[in-house]
Amino acid sequence: DAKTTQPPSMDCAEGRAANLPCNHSTISGNEYVYWYRQIHSQGPQYIIHGLKNNETNEMASLIITEDRKSSTLILPHATLRDTAVYYCIVRVENYGGSQGNLIFGKGTKLSVKP
Amino acid sequence: SAVISQKPSRDICQRGTSLTIQCQVDSQVTMMFWYRQQPGQSLTLIATANQGSEATYESGFVIDKFPISRPNLTFSTLTVSNMSPEDSSIYLCSAGVGGYTFGSGTRLTVV
Repeated sequence: DAKTTQPPSMDCAEGRAANLPCNHSTISGNEYVYWYRQIHSQGPQYIIHGLKNNETNEMASLIITEDRKSSTLILPHATLRDTAVYYCIVRVENYGGSQGNLIFGKGTKLSVKP
Repeated sequence: SAVISQKPSRDICQRGTSLTIQCQVDSQVTMMFWYRQQPGQSLTLIATANQGSEATYESGFVIDKFPISRPNLTFSTLTVSNMSPEDSSIYLCSAGVGGYTFGSGTRLTVV
């Protein structure tokens, strides 16, 4: 079973920041938080990941609470093309064995509206 | 990040037949993964494929139904065997290091 909880859907106005929450209260010390998104009819796309520090890249920012039990993905200026299902996943970052698997939950369907 | 080519992109198959899906990665990767996405649902992991060893299947998936090959570090196939309409789904492969890359998926319809 997925180890994260996300709201099933969210709306965001175009040009505004989209803040997508994720709860992972049972996260272990060696588990990272990963975010992916899936635009309709495409394969999932990696967005960002982090362990405990906040992270930022060209796509988004990831804010992880100090106790690591929750996080927020921030799309600073949402566009219509950001409409997708966003998945928050926790996993151990090693590259062998079943612990490296990505287990997808139901995700949040983000709708960016003009 | 790795680039994955997956084919076929879609197919319509008769029940009782088999379909083999191929994934080619543009770099060598240790682990490759196969997922199924049923209509309107999230992704479900089918199996993990290591080069040179048998695939590891998740609960509910068996090798006789979903045989996997991993002949080298850049290629893998998933076969959906003895298909029924319940196998109609999108099948995706994934590979890479860290932030895994996904293929574009194979949309399978069984009639």
